[in-house]
Amino acid sequence: GAVVSQHPSRVICKSGTSVKIECRSLDFQATTMFWYRQFPKQSLMLMATSNEGSKATYEQGVEKDKFLINHASLTLSTLTVTSAHPEDSSFYICSARDNEGFETQYFGPGTRLLVL
Amino acid sequence: AQSVSQHNHHVILSEAASLELGCNYSYGGTVNLFWYVQYPGQHLQLLLKYFSGDPLVKGIKGFEAEFIKSKFSFNLRKPSVQWSDTAEYFCAVNALGNNRLAFGKGNQVVVIP
Repeated sequence: GAVVSQHPSRVICKSGTSVKIECRSLDFQATTMFWYRQFPKQSLMLMATSNEGSKATYEQGVEKDKFLINHASLTLSTLTVTSAHPEDSSFYICSARDNEGFETQYFGPGTRLLVL
Repeated sequence: AQSVSQHNHHVILSEAASLELGCNYSYGGTVNLFWYVQYPGQHLQLLLKYFSGDPLVKGIKGFEAEFIKSKFSFNLRKPSVQWSDTAEYFCAVNALGNNRLAFGKGNQVVVIP
């Protein structure tokens, strides 16, 4: 089946630093990838839609200068949390929509971010 | 925008019991419907999906779901659960032609051996 990887799986950083999270589709091409945030005991909240070769589309309330998204190839999207603060600590999950898969999204394992 | 409701966040049942998880959505147009499962410590995996055709959809691991358009529902069922079905289950919906998935809050299911 379609596999999506994320790196790193967990990261601890100091307040004020930036953290980059990678999302890769391993065995399929994905023009569109998505970044979600999941709080404990809550559902996934869509942050942004990442489009290969163009600007990401951000959901209302998500700061685009805070959460930088780059989708430079059909298999890689990156999310950079800039000047991270403790309130950015969360579980970040990406998904990728298979170009051949008719609107099905496949999810990565998530990245646990802890900002001290 | 579409929204998704899942009730009874915590479900505890014994092995061999039957499971039914409700999912209701609010959107008047054509939708695609999904159930995802997240086993402890693992990532979200697709259980089953409905795009069109037979409203009774069979997925992996003995799960099935029925789309009832008049009730805006897509309930998940399994006749006899196993301990390994302990997981969190999420219903998700997207409007036809819209990339964005709306998720329900999830059902935490614990199966007692």
